[in-house]
Amino acid sequence: EAGVAQSPRYKIIEKRQSVAFWCNPISGHATLYWYQQILGQGPKLLIQFQNNGVVDDSQLPKDRFSAERLKGVDSTLKIQPAKLEDSAVYLCASSTRVGYNEQFFGPGTRLTVL
Amino acid sequence: ILNVEQSPQSLHVQEGDSTNFTCSFPSSNFYALHWYRWETAKSPEALFVMTLNGDEKKKGRISATLNTKEGYSYLYIKGSQPEDSATYLCAFAGSNYKLTFGKGTLLTVNP
Repeated sequence: EAGVAQSPRYKIIEKRQSVAFWCNPISGHATLYWYQQILGQGPKLLIQFQNNGVVDDSQLPKDRFSAERLKGVDSTLKIQPAKLEDSAVYLCASSTRVGYNEQFFGPGTRLTVL
Repeated sequence: ILNVEQSPQSLHVQEGDSTNFTCSFPSSNFYALHWYRWETAKSPEALFVMTLNGDEKKKGRISATLNTKEGYSYLYIKGSQPEDSATYLCAFAGSNYKLTFGKGTLLTVNP
């Protein structure tokens, strides 16, 4: 079974630039999550999708971050414009459904904002 | 704001040593406790999902216990190997299913 795919793996941009991350979840997984992990902290949930609908985006900074999951499969997370404090690892995860079952993570995208 | 604490922050052990870490979480509104292992440059990997008070789970040399009444879980590694070097994350799930992660314990196993 193929795992969760993410690209790019690394990205370096200057502040005020835009950046987009892509995630392809495990086939058949209805629930998709985007997490932000800042150095020294645990992953923080940014947004959760169930199929192509948003379940929770309460911690997404909506003035600069946006995410979509077209057709309930792949997802993109965008930051526009980036700030220095957005430097982090962005993790995508998927699970079969909303609930307490395990989440399967991708390798993450490490973003550095200069 | 939910408080999920992990200790110690980091740990260095010798190959063959046994070790354990702690995860503390709110004892109210508990639904599940997840443990993940995250090796450098790899994807976080689920180790255990625990839901019942008194639960004990085992996977090879790694085991975990759960006490929901007092709000803690222990992760044990028996006979540590260099390939066990990783960050171990715990995550608390409440009634909204959302995971709140601790900061992790960084384990380094020296050969």
